[in-house]
Amino acid sequence: DIVMTQSPDSLAVSLGERATINCKSSQNVLYSSNNKNYLAWYQQKPGQPPKLLIYWASARESGVPDRFSGSGSGTDFTLTISGLQAEDVAVYYCQQYYTTPVTFGGGTRVDI
Amino acid sequence: EVQLVESGGGLVKPGGSLRLSCAASGFTFSNAWMSWVRQAPGKGLEWVGRIKSKTDGETKDYAAPVKGRFTISRDDSKDTLYLETDSLKTEDTAVYYCIKYRSPADGALQIWGQGTMVTVAS
Repeated sequence: DIVMTQSPDSLAVSLGERATINCKSSQNVLYSSNNKNYLAWYQQKPGQPPKLLIYWASARESGVPDRFSGSGSGTDFTLTISGLQAEDVAVYYCQQYYTTPVTFGGGTRVDI
Repeated sequence: EVQLVESGGGLVKPGGSLRLSCAASGFTFSNAWMSWVRQAPGKGLEWVGRIKSKTDGETKDYAAPVKGRFTISRDDSKDTLYLETDSLKTEDTAVYYCIKYRSPADGALQIWGQGTMVTVAS
């Protein structure tokens, strides 16, 4: 199975500042035939189901604010929240869908 | 509006069974690849399994901890996804989410239900 490792486990960021979350996969999740990274990011607020933010490592889901961006390729990925808002307080998860079983990172809690 | 509504959770004794249901609306269910993901209290996300559309062979895959005990199925005539859980263990206690793939073969999990709680305890 592909192991997804997120860092840090938690971070506190001031309003309006940048939050950076890292995700490392134990195997490459870049599919060479289509040059796509099979990596997604989710946001989960307390008491709610997760919400898809980013797919293909850097494509923003419809309706997601442009302060959320994803980058990286191969085995190393980053979710950046530029200009943190109060409503961004949540746990963020990365997920690889390169192969089954689909696997998630352990989550990163973002607080103000 | 695209919506997924789970039901069927509850309290069950170890060794027992439950059938979870997920009613879909707002999209063409028969074309969708669907998945179940669970989340134990205070823990992270764990993929349970996936079922492809009938046109893609209705192939099913399961996570190792549930393989042989859980069965995913679908009734396209009722726009409903199921998760049959057997031989339940205390470690199966979790909120179970029903999810629609963003598109067939794109494993990003686009639409999530609100979840249904399964508690396995004596």
